[in-house]
Amino acid sequence: QSVLTQPPSASGTPGQRVTISCSGSRSNIGSNYVYWYQQLPGTAPKLLIYSINQRPSGVADRFSGSKSGTSASLAISGLRSEDEADYYCAAWDGSLSAWVFGGGTKLTVL
Amino acid sequence: EVQLVESGGVVVQPGGSLRLSCAASGFTFDDYTMHWVRQAPGKGLEWVSLITWNGGSTFYADSVKGRFTISRDNSKNSLFLEMSSLRTEDTALYYCAKDREAGMVNRGFDCWGQGTLVTVSS
Repeated sequence: QSVLTQPPSASGTPGQRVTISCSGSRSNIGSNYVYWYQQLPGTAPKLLIYSINQRPSGVADRFSGSKSGTSASLAISGLRSEDEADYYCAAWDGSLSAWVFGGGTKLTVL
Repeated sequence: EVQLVESGGVVVQPGGSLRLSCAASGFTFDDYTMHWVRQAPGKGLEWVSLITWNGGSTFYADSVKGRFTISRDNSKNSLFLEMSSLRTEDTALYYCAKDREAGMVNRGFDCWGQGTLVTVSS
């Protein structure tokens, strides 16, 4: 059971906008930055969004992040087949003194 | 170009010990906090441990506390994970990851290695 809660799956058709939610608590999302990682099949995770809504250089602006209270969301607009991957949210948990991840969301592009 | 290359993963019996290494290049290693993150086969990501840039502070997931020890050798740009009292549930791909900001702790992991596979089985 992961500390952060994500839906196990999400799907959309090319061109659509999809959102993935991540629910936590005051000790993690509620008081710290949220990060999102993309893991393509058979590869290492890649940083997608940092500090809630910032994109590293090279990440398309189709990807955006937001946070409200103890929940966060990743939005992907203009969905493409290459976006098919597992997506993870993460945050530092001050009560646990540990990083916590969501269980991951498998995105399927139909 | 930042590179992180893990090694040391093998098949080990329950109760055994193992030492993982991560060789870093392409950045000023001793400026950055470093992490170990693992992924069991077909499962999600689990953070394992972190060590600050000067080795002064370490943190561990509850699942490995007292059994794993993280360390670093800044003179050799290397990160290590000493694993003991291994359990079958420690079977995973172990990734070395770099913190995003120099001199800071917990700014996210911006670069990852390709991982080294640890299998705990009798």
